[in-house]
Amino acid sequence: QQPVQSPQAVILREGEDAVINCSSSKALYSVHWYRQKHGEAPVFLMILLKGGEQKGHDKISASFNEKKQQSSLYLTASQLSYSGTYFCGTPNTFGNEKLTFGTGTRLTIIP
Amino acid sequence: DAMVIQNPRYQVTQFGKPVTLSCSQTLNHNVMYWYQQKSSQAPKLLFHYYDKDFNNEADTPDNFQSRRPNTSFCFLDIRSPGLGDAAMYLCATSRDWGDTEAFFGQGTRLTVV
Repeated sequence: QQPVQSPQAVILREGEDAVINCSSSKALYSVHWYRQKHGEAPVFLMILLKGGEQKGHDKISASFNEKKQQSSLYLTASQLSYSGTYFCGTPNTFGNEKLTFGTGTRLTIIP
Repeated sequence: DAMVIQNPRYQVTQFGKPVTLSCSQTLNHNVMYWYQQKSSQAPKLLFHYYDKDFNNEADTPDNFQSRRPNTSFCFLDIRSPGLGDAAMYLCATSRDWGDTEAFFGQGTRLTVV
């Protein structure tokens, strides 16, 4: 089953913050985050491999709540380059099997 | 330097005319995926391989087939493309299963006329 992301779309002014959520109806063993710009392939941002893990990359960070079966992506002081569609990705079972993508969140940053 | 290469980038085919999309990788990864992505939607998994072990999704139409003759190459065959098969097709690889990063090719945009 496909993870559900919220919000579906968000528009921010440059410098504002955003939170994107990814929720699953089944147990999550790890969570990937990808960004896809229009007409391009998805690009990997980060993986969180265990519950409670948090990671940061520049001003983009993420958390993983295993018990709640969800992950959140935090974008701080957003830049124009952050525009795109963000997808979470989850393996099917514990560290194995296929990678399934969430419903996606379209982020638009305006000057 | 491209690590996952898809050919062609753009493909126009006639309704019902078989078409093959190709993907090659220089990463020597075990896992290869084929995704279909329609406008404003998430990538939808069609097939995946672990080495030569093939898995297709339950809802992948029979019209879609795949081959992986060796570690480096993977092909997606659409036997009789319909208008609804027009989409971006993405190939991805990962070193191991879902707890390792996936690397994507640039995709093939398929148009059916």
